Amino acid sequence: GEDVEQSLFLSVREGDSSVINCTYTDSSSTYLYWYKQEPGAGLQLLTYIFSNMDMKQDQRLTVLLNKKDKHLSLRIADTQTGDSAIYFCAETLNQAGTALIFGKGTTLSVSS
Amino acid sequence: DAGVIQSPRHEVTEMGQEVTLRCKPISGHNSLFWYRQTMMRGLELLIYFNNNVPIDDSGMPEDRFSAKMPNASFSTLKIQPSEPRDSAVYFCASSLAGIPPGELFFGEGSRLTVL
Repeated sequence: GEDVEQSLFLSVREGDSSVINCTYTDSSSTYLYWYKQEPGAGLQLLTYIFSNMDMKQDQRLTVLLNKKDKHLSLRIADTQTGDSAIYFCAETLNQAGTALIFGKGTTLSVSS
Repeated sequence: DAGVIQSPRHEVTEMGQEVTLRCKPISGHNSLFWYRQTMMRGLELLIYFNNNVPIDDSGMPEDRFSAKMPNASFSTLKIQPSEPRDSAVYFCASSLAGIPPGELFFGEGSRLTVL
């Protein structure tokens, strides 16, 4: 079945780059997603990538997709203390692509 | 615009009691999802509805769990009887199939503690 794996913790210093990695199982996912969860809140869509792309850049965020290895990464440039949160990788569960399976989340801690 | 609204935000109950969690999706959205978040298991999809119809409830852990969506603006998740292992944060999310189709809008969650 579908499964999404992520490392659980990442600690960086303010100003450094953060790289969060994820592996997924469903090669038919048309889109892959990164969601962000701040303390005491629900998840919010951060960015996504279409499966026929290798890379997507959105301001400080860069998403890299290696379909052969089923590996997805999120790079945050110039990481700020406000980036401290839990980051979830997600793949799609159903053919319509509307239901998502999430990884357990990577807790990013940014120290000043 | 109002986001997804969940109630209660916090509930503490005793083992064996019935628990009802409520969700109001974003107006116009046609899909609704219930997820459960725990430290051990992460975020698990329990059930989802499309146009008020349950599509996949394979994530519902046991017969003690049930979910309904009587109309487009309301859904409930019920646990009867509750057990301590049901303690978790329960999230409701809604979406409107678009680009990307997996853009889910989450509520703030209902934190359930079963003693």
